[in-house]
This record gives sequence, structure tokens and C-alpha cells, in this order.
Amino acid sequence: DAGVTQSPTHLIKTRGQQVTLRCSPKSGHDTVSWYQQALGQGPQFIFQYYEEEERQRGNFPDRFSGHQFPNYSSELNVNALLLGDSALYLCASSLLGANEQFFGPGTRLTVL
Amino acid sequence: ELKVEQNPLFLSMQEGKNYTIYCNYSTTSDRLYWYRQDPGKSLESLFVLLSNGAVKQEGRLMASLDTKARLSTLHITAAVHDLSATYFCAVDVDDGAQKLVFGQGTRLTINP
Repeated sequence: DAGVTQSPTHLIKTRGQQVTLRCSPKSGHDTVSWYQQALGQGPQFIFQYYEEEERQRGNFPDRFSGHQFPNYSSELNVNALLLGDSALYLCASSLLGANEQFFGPGTRLTVL
Repeated sequence: ELKVEQNPLFLSMQEGKNYTIYCNYSTTSDRLYWYRQDPGKSLESLFVLLSNGAVKQEGRLMASLDTKARLSTLHITAAVHDLSATYFCAVDVDDGAQKLVFGQGTRLTINP
């Protein structure tokens, strides 16, 4: 049983560009959450998707948007990239209402 | 706004010694999580604490939760080098919605 998978593993972009990160949840999970982890910091909640809709959102600007597909996989899109968007982006999946979520390996985004 | 504070942020200790990491949070919650992160890696779930007085143990690690004091502890017994990592606590701010607020992390180094 595959766990949470993310792609790509690493990504380098320049300021002003747009990026799309992808996540496939653990088998049987229906909820996907995204977190941003800057170097040396704890992860910060970006948003959560359930039934193809954004269910919860953290304190991130509208440049950060997402999508969930009928197969529960999810994308995170970031527009107009800033240097400060450089971070490890983690996807976590769970069953709605469950007590635990499982994290993927992350995508490391570098903005130059 | 919920704040989660860990201390210490950095901890260097010798093998065989005992130590405790503290996690304080600023609002009512009875769902607290501990994660381990190795350098460049994702988050590994260690403990899920779901009620006041909950205590869980796995190997040399033991976690507890006091919801009245808004305090969780992660106790390390007879530390070994393999436990060197960064440890994060996280609080679910929305009663099971899996919207986690993380502490800053405690970077633990265990020296032979």
C-alpha cells in the first residue's frame, strides 16, 4: 500500500513564475492538507481539501490556491512566486474526522 | 491566535541520559501530536494524544498531555544516537478538523 506521494521532489523557479505541486493521498483517504515549512521552522497550514472543495484555510494570500480531483489527489498552485516562497511543501492525507494524518515526502521549492 | 511553544529549541545531550521536551499551547485543545523529522525528510508521526491525562510510550520515548495546563511533554529515557532528530509538537485547533498548528521544533543531538 503506497503512502502519500508528492511530485516533483525538487523544483527551482524564478521570481514571478507560477508553480504547481502534486499530491496523491494514502489509499482510502479522502482529505488532503497542505503545509509550508520554511527552513528551520515548523510547518504552517496552508489549506485543506475534502470532496473537491477547500474546507479550511490558513493565513496565506490568494496567490496560493489548490484543487482536489475526484480521485482525491490534489494540486497546490502558487502564482507570482516570491523569494520567501522557498520552502518544503508537505502534503498530508487523512480520513475526514480521523485522529491522524500522514505526511508525504515533500516538494522542496527554491525561488531564485 | 493559537501559539504553540516548545522548549528547549536546541538540546545536546549524551547517550544514556534522560531529558524532557516541553510543549505549551495557548488555547483549549485536547488533540496533540508529536512528530519526528530527520534532516531533509518528511514528518514521521510518533504519538497522538487525544484526552487529558493521556500517556503513550514507544521504546525510549514517552509523551503525555495535560489539557488543563495546556502542556505536553516528550520524555526521552536513556538516549541513544539514533534519536537525534528534530521533534515537533502540533495542536489541532479545530476539534478534529486536522488543521494543525506546529511548534518551532526542538533540534535534538545525542552525542556518544
